[in-house]
Amino acid sequence: NAGVTQTPKFQVLKTGQSMTLQCAQDMNHNSMYWYRQDPGMGLRLIYYSASEGTTDKGEVPNGYNVSRLNKREFSLRLESAAPSQTSVYFCASSKTGAGGYTFGSGTRLTVV
Amino acid sequence: EDQVTQSPEALRLQEGESSSLNCSYTVSGLRGLFWYRQDPGKGPEFLFTLYSAGEEKEKERLKATLTKKESFLHITAPKPEDSATYLCAVQAGSNTGKLIFGQGTTLQVKP
Repeated sequence: NAGVTQTPKFQVLKTGQSMTLQCAQDMNHNSMYWYRQDPGMGLRLIYYSASEGTTDKGEVPNGYNVSRLNKREFSLRLESAAPSQTSVYFCASSKTGAGGYTFGSGTRLTVV
Repeated sequence: EDQVTQSPEALRLQEGESSSLNCSYTVSGLRGLFWYRQDPGKGPEFLFTLYSAGEEKEKERLKATLTKKESFLHITAPKPEDSATYLCAVQAGSNTGKLIFGQGTTLQVKP
């Protein structure tokens, strides 16, 4: 099925552990995004990749790194997880410069 | 600073009771305003894009409108299956596709 696929769906980490969230899309979209969603805060942009080969910081990039592996895949890495990174993470993709995102189903991350 | 504010935070309606959700925005150079629907435990689902003041879009019981300062999502004769969180977002400035989201309005429609 066409869309955005995120793995894993759930994850529990201990403080200081690292992990990579994976995202892949099969809609031939050029742009990809990582957002986090917290109660009362709405969706906040972490990093984005406007096109293959480019990445840029969003509103809340501290503690994260990203890799645009190819046109389909955009990963988000937490090098040393902190409790403040407990959140739901969404990956999205869109045609170049267009805001009509297709979202993945999310990764629910808990850092203890 | 670009900002999006949605009201109310929560709305309870009886089935068939029409109402509106508000999205107020302050941005420099609006490129588009977007409405999404989000069901619990799922990612947001795209509903509408509006580009200029006076524009309207409709889908089933939903109609979105846009002025220079705000957008409304009108829900006519809602059904319980319309219960969800509705998110508003704006794209401003550069052509990167970055969106700024409001905090959402959680709608509950009771039968």
